[in-house]
Amino acid sequence: AQSVTQPDIHITVSEGASLELRCNYSYGATPYLFWYVQSPGQGLQLLLKYFSGDTLVQGIKGFEAEFKRSQSSFNLRKPSVHWSDAAEYFCAVGAYSSASKIIFGSGTRLSIRP
Amino acid sequence: DTEVTQTPKHLVMGMTNKKSLKCEQHMGHRAMYWYKQKAKKPPELMFVYSYEKLSINESVPSRFSPECPNSSLLNLHLHALQPEDSALYLCASSLLPGQGADTQYFGPGTRLTVL
Repeated sequence: AQSVTQPDIHITVSEGASLELRCNYSYGATPYLFWYVQSPGQGLQLLLKYFSGDTLVQGIKGFEAEFKRSQSSFNLRKPSVHWSDAAEYFCAVGAYSSASKIIFGSGTRLSIRP
Repeated sequence: DTEVTQTPKHLVMGMTNKKSLKCEQHMGHRAMYWYKQKAKKPPELMFVYSYEKLSINESVPSRFSPECPNSSLLNLHLHALQPEDSALYLCASSLLPGQGADTQYFGPGTRLTVL
């Protein structure tokens, strides 16, 4: 069965600084990986996804993520954060044969320091 | 358009009430989902509908009753809830049922409070 670990519960970065949120997955075959963002009291918005191909994936709002099979990681990055990026970020993994289920990590809360 | 809509946005109900949550999508998606999300936790899958048929029930108590009247609409009927059922209820949809790789698009959620 697949699983996802987000080791950082809470991260604070200064506005304009770079950001990297960590995500490690466990799955025997090629995983299907997602990053979602959730603002307080809101639903989840898809930032980007990786199914196959180029391991560097571009998403919305200036985010990107890199799939590294050797490290079982799919870290999310942004070169310069804005105050509006403060939110909860969830990494998720799905599998082609897992009957519509995706497994979410526990989330990383991002705070922005003015 | 990747929009999933949910109504109501907020709901307060007593433990003896009966209420329903509604979810709608017009993207032609054939899989629809209900999730429950407690504060500071990831979403927990409750139900999956594939081609308007219930395909996954994650051992959810019977006081939650899902319904999929057509391919665009998903309801969650609530009856005799407990205060611990207070949470954000999220609906999602995806194009292809039965494939965990398929992208799920989420609605804004219904904030439910049970008194």
